[in-house]
Amino acid sequence: NAGVTQTPKFQVLKTGQSMTLQCAQDMNHNSMYWYRQDPGMGLRLIYYSASEGTTDKGEVPNGYNVSRLNKREFSLRLESAAPSQTSVYFCASSESYGGTAEQFFGPGTRLTVL
Amino acid sequence: RKEVEQDPGPFNVPEGATVAFNCTYSNSASQSFFWYRQDCRKEPKLLMSVYSSGNEDGRFTAQLNRASQYISLLIRDSKLSDSATYLCVVNRGGGATNKLIFGTGTLLAVQP
Repeated sequence: NAGVTQTPKFQVLKTGQSMTLQCAQDMNHNSMYWYRQDPGMGLRLIYYSASEGTTDKGEVPNGYNVSRLNKREFSLRLESAAPSQTSVYFCASSESYGGTAEQFFGPGTRLTVL
Repeated sequence: RKEVEQDPGPFNVPEGATVAFNCTYSNSASQSFFWYRQDCRKEPKLLMSVYSSGNEDGRFTAQLNRASQYISLLIRDSKLSDSATYLCVVNRGGGATNKLIFGTGTLLAVQP
């Protein structure tokens, strides 16, 4: 039982390049999330998927797109990377989208955009 | 003003000490409250939920004061392994939402 996995662990991009961050969970969770963590800012929600087949914008969605490929997988795409997107990206999942469901996080992807 | 505010620290304490962190939140409609722990360069992990009546888990005690809109975490008999960043987390919505708002964290360094 691996929990939440993310690939890649590290990535360096040049401005304008595109890439997709992959996330998968094996806990049969319904809800999945993408966050970014920047110094002094706390984790901020980029996009979430309350259930398979649905996606919604979070607090900072500009410059990103997501795909909920199936119940297990939720990917985050940067179409044209900018230096402001340099950050640590965490994927998370929870059993449901209601109440006090605990969110489980993946190990993170450290992205640098030059 | 940030929706969830924490003292960033660092709190440098000796082993065996008792240390307390506070956190304030601005949205009075917030329904659920948590403390997450994040080790250096690792992912956040749930430490404990915070209930209105207060709750305890071993050396850790969490309290919620809805009237003053603050949450606290008390760690007794600190261990070296408690060194980490402690994130105060608030569920902004009630009922059908699970949108967590994270504080920037309080860094705890327990010294031998």
